[in-house]
Amino acid sequence: GAGVSQTPSNKVTEKGKYVELRCDPISGHTALYWYRQSLGQGPEFLIYFQGTGAADDSGLPNDRFFAVRPEGSVSTLKIQRTERGDSAVYLCASSSGVSGTSGGGQFFGPGTRLTVL
Amino acid sequence: SQKIEQNSEALNIQEGKTATLTCNYTNYSPAYLQWYRQDPGRGPVFLLLIRENEKEKRKERLKVTFDTTLKQSLFHITASQPADSATYLCAFYSGGGADGLTFGKGTHLIIQP
Repeated sequence: GAGVSQTPSNKVTEKGKYVELRCDPISGHTALYWYRQSLGQGPEFLIYFQGTGAADDSGLPNDRFFAVRPEGSVSTLKIQRTERGDSAVYLCASSSGVSGTSGGGQFFGPGTRLTVL
Repeated sequence: SQKIEQNSEALNIQEGKTATLTCNYTNYSPAYLQWYRQDPGRGPVFLLLIRENEKEKRKERLKVTFDTTLKQSLFHITASQPADSATYLCAFYSGGGADGLTFGKGTHLIIQP
C-alpha cells in the first residue's frame, strides 16, 4: 500500500519568504508527526497531531513555525519569514498508535529538503 | 533533559560478522525505545521496539537489548551483509504528554565484502 508522501521533495526559497510543506500520511493513521533533520544529526521532533488537534507542539522552535491538520489526514507545515538556519530536511511520520506503542513504530516519508538562500 | 549518545563515527565490519551498535542515555529510563534504519536521501525505517520491562527483543538477524541499570541499549546484526550498510538511529519515547520521539545522531555502519 501507499506509504507516507511529502511534497515538494525539494524547495529552494529566499530568506524572508513564506513556505508550505505538505504531508500525506498513511490512510487510517490518526497520529502524525513532523521532524526536522540537519546534516549529520538525528531527526528533531517539532509537532505531533492526534486527529485534527496538535497534541504536542513543544518542539516548534519559534512562532514562525506553524502546522495544521484540518481534516485529520493531510498536514501542512508552514514557515514564515524563513531564515538560513531553517535549511534542513523536514520529515513527516505517521502511526496508528501513540508514538507507535502498538509495536509498529512510526512510518516516515522521504522528507522535503528545504534550502533557504 | 534526556540526552542520547550514539557513536557518530562510522563502524566498519567485515561481511558475515556480527555488528553491534551502542545507544547510551542519561537521566531517566524511557518507557520504550526504538531502532530505525536510514539510507541516504530517505526517511528512517522502523526496525524494532523494546519496552522498559523487556531485556531483549529479536527479529530475524536483528537483536536489541535494553539495560536500564547501565542506561544502554545494544543493537546487533548477525551474519552481516553489505546491504545492511546504512545509518542506524535509536529513539526514545518518554511517555506522558510529550509524544514525539527523541533521536540519537545515528551510527553509520559499513559492511565490507
